Amino acid sequence: GQSLEQPSEVTAVEGAIVQINCTYQTSGFYGLSWYQQHDGGAPTFLSYNALDGLEETGRFSSFLSRSDSYGYLLLQELQMKDSASYFCAGRDGGFKTIFGAGTRLFVKA
Amino acid sequence: EADIYQTPRYLVIGTGKKITLECSQTMGHDKMYWYQQDPGMELHLIHYSYGVNSTEKGDLSSESTVSRIRTEHFPLTLESARPSHTSQYLCASSSSGRTDTQYFGPGTRLTVL
Repeated sequence: GQSLEQPSEVTAVEGAIVQINCTYQTSGFYGLSWYQQHDGGAPTFLSYNALDGLEETGRFSSFLSRSDSYGYLLLQELQMKDSASYFCAGRDGGFKTIFGAGTRLFVKA
Repeated sequence: EADIYQTPRYLVIGTGKKITLECSQTMGHDKMYWYQQDPGMELHLIHYSYGVNSTEKGDLSSESTVSRIRTEHFPLTLESARPSHTSQYLCASSSSGRTDTQYFGPGTRLTVL
């Protein structure tokens, strides 16, 4: 089986940097993905890590350590529009992708 | 740009009615999914499909059924709607491959009175 743990909510101020952690337990592993979802909207794909290290896409970066079964999403230069829920997701050796419960990010002015 | 569509976007219906939520994608993806999500809560996988004529139940027990007669189409049917079915239903698709990046439709917000 597989499970992913992430904090339920995080608060940060505009312009700051915030890190959202995700730890996973899985019988197999095919990489860690991150999705963003604004209230009332649908999840949208942000990033994917198959190998250890940092992947950077603009203000967003994602990190993976397979030895620690751990990853994080890093958001820099926070903007109010970054207020959303962020889900980590992992695919096990089977077919299904499993989503974490999501972290609600509140960005304050 | 992902092309996955859901209709209707909003639906208010009485208890006991039969409803079908439509989902179509134009990306030729083999895999399709249905999730149920209450506001601010986690995604619950209720059905998925590997491809045509292949459907499986997800982790969340659901009284709905699905069919996959065409690659692009994956409708979800509730035979008898109940107030407990009130939720948002999200359809997604992904191609075969290592990443399994899922593209989500805009969702159907269902209210059963």
